[in-house]
Amino acid sequence: EDQVTQSPEALRLQEGESSSLNCSYTVSGLRGLFWYRQDPGKGPEFLFTLYSAGEEKEKERLKATLTKKESFLHITAPKPEDSATYLCAVQPLIKAAGNKLTFGGGTRVLVKP
Amino acid sequence: DAMVIQNPRYQVTQFGKPVTLSCSQTLNHNVMYWYQQKSSQAPKLLFHYYDKDFNNEADTPDNFQSRRPNTSFCFLDIRSPGLGDAAMYLCATSRDLTGGGYTFGSGTRLTVV
Repeated sequence: EDQVTQSPEALRLQEGESSSLNCSYTVSGLRGLFWYRQDPGKGPEFLFTLYSAGEEKEKERLKATLTKKESFLHITAPKPEDSATYLCAVQPLIKAAGNKLTFGGGTRVLVKP
Repeated sequence: DAMVIQNPRYQVTQFGKPVTLSCSQTLNHNVMYWYQQKSSQAPKLLFHYYDKDFNNEADTPDNFQSRRPNTSFCFLDIRSPGLGDAAMYLCATSRDLTGGGYTFGSGTRLTVV
């Protein structure tokens, strides 16, 4: 069974204090690993897809990296508007699983001014 | 803009009283998903439709049903809501089953009283 574990569960940062979020996964062949941002009371918003170890993607202050066992979401010089829950999800290669995404529990990030 | 729309945003229902949540999409995607997300937990897949083909997750309670009358609309029916069914219900779409991420709606927050 596919499993995704995110750490830490919560992260409090001062504005400008860079940090990293971890997503550890076990999956029977990885088709893709996804990062989403979720604001309170809203649906997840797509950030990145990573497909193979060594791949990196960047968007503004966010950078996602991927290894064979984990992914990191680096937040550089965060601003208060980066406060949100960040969700990681994996999609298996197995055709029978369809397009199913298995999510981790998320990391709640609070950036204080 | 093409999008996924969920109605209502907030729904209050009585214990045991049937309730229906609605999702519509203008993306013309073939696959529609329903996820349940309880407070501070990972979204959990309930079922999905690939076109008119319904796929239920093994651990989805019988209390939960779904209908997809056409490509654009999908409904989640909870036949006899219990207090444990209070959650955010997320609708998502994807183009097909060959990979790629989802587009999520804003969710419906269900309260059971």
